[in-house]
Amino acid sequence: SQKIEQNSEALNIQEGKTATLTCNYTNYSPAYLQWYRQDPGRGPVFLLLIRENEKEKRKERLKVTFDTTLKQSLFHITASQPADSATYLCALGLSGNTPLVFGKGTRLSVIA
Amino acid sequence: DAGVIQSPRHEVTEMGQEVTLRCKPISGHNSLFWYRQTMMRGLELLIYFNNNVPIDDSGMPEDRFSAKMPNASFSTLKIQPSEPRDSAVYFCASRTASSTDTQYFGPGTRLTVL
Repeated sequence: SQKIEQNSEALNIQEGKTATLTCNYTNYSPAYLQWYRQDPGRGPVFLLLIRENEKEKRKERLKVTFDTTLKQSLFHITASQPADSATYLCALGLSGNTPLVFGKGTRLSVIA
Repeated sequence: DAGVIQSPRHEVTEMGQEVTLRCKPISGHNSLFWYRQTMMRGLELLIYFNNNVPIDDSGMPEDRFSAKMPNASFSTLKIQPSEPRDSAVYFCASRTASSTDTQYFGPGTRLTVL
C-alpha cells in the first residue's frame, strides 16, 4: 500500500542545534517534494520544493535533501530558534496536475 | 492579495444539522482543494477542482458530503446531515495551473458537531 511516514510525531531540540526531520514514502514515484510549516490554528505554509533530479535545496537556515533510491527526504533547520517551533509537513507531488499527498507531520519544539 | 479566505472560522452545530463551509480562492488560481485535518488521520484530501470542474471526489467520506464551485472565486463544502465524527478542521487551498506551484491554504474552519 502507499504510505508517507514522517518518522516522529514530535521532536524536541535545544536552541542553536540542528533539527533534522525525516519523510519516507512507499509505493509512490514523486516528481517533486514540498515541505510546509503549520502553526497552531493556521493553515500550512509552503517552505521549499525539491525536484526528483535535485539532491539538495537550501533557503537561509533550511536545507532539504531528496534521495529517490532510499525514497526519503530530510529537512534540516540549522541554528534552530524557539520561533521555529511548529509542525512540519512533507508533501509528495506526483505526475500531472494532481494534488499533493501529505504526511501527518512532525511537531518540532525548540527549547531555549 | 488577501490570500485564501474561508468562512466561518469556527462552527459548532448539533448532530443532524446541515453545515456549509465557504472558500474564496486566490484570484487567478485554477485549482481548488478541500482538505480535512484530524490528529488521527492528518491532512486528507476530500475533493479538488480544476477550472471549476470537480476532478476527483474519491476522498469524500460519504454521500453526506458534497462540494460545489459555481465560479472561479467561490466554493462550498456541505455536510448534510452532520455527525460527531465529522468534527475536524477543514482547509481550502488553491494554486495555479502549474502542478509544481505552491498550494496556498486558507486559515481553516474548525467544525464541532455535538
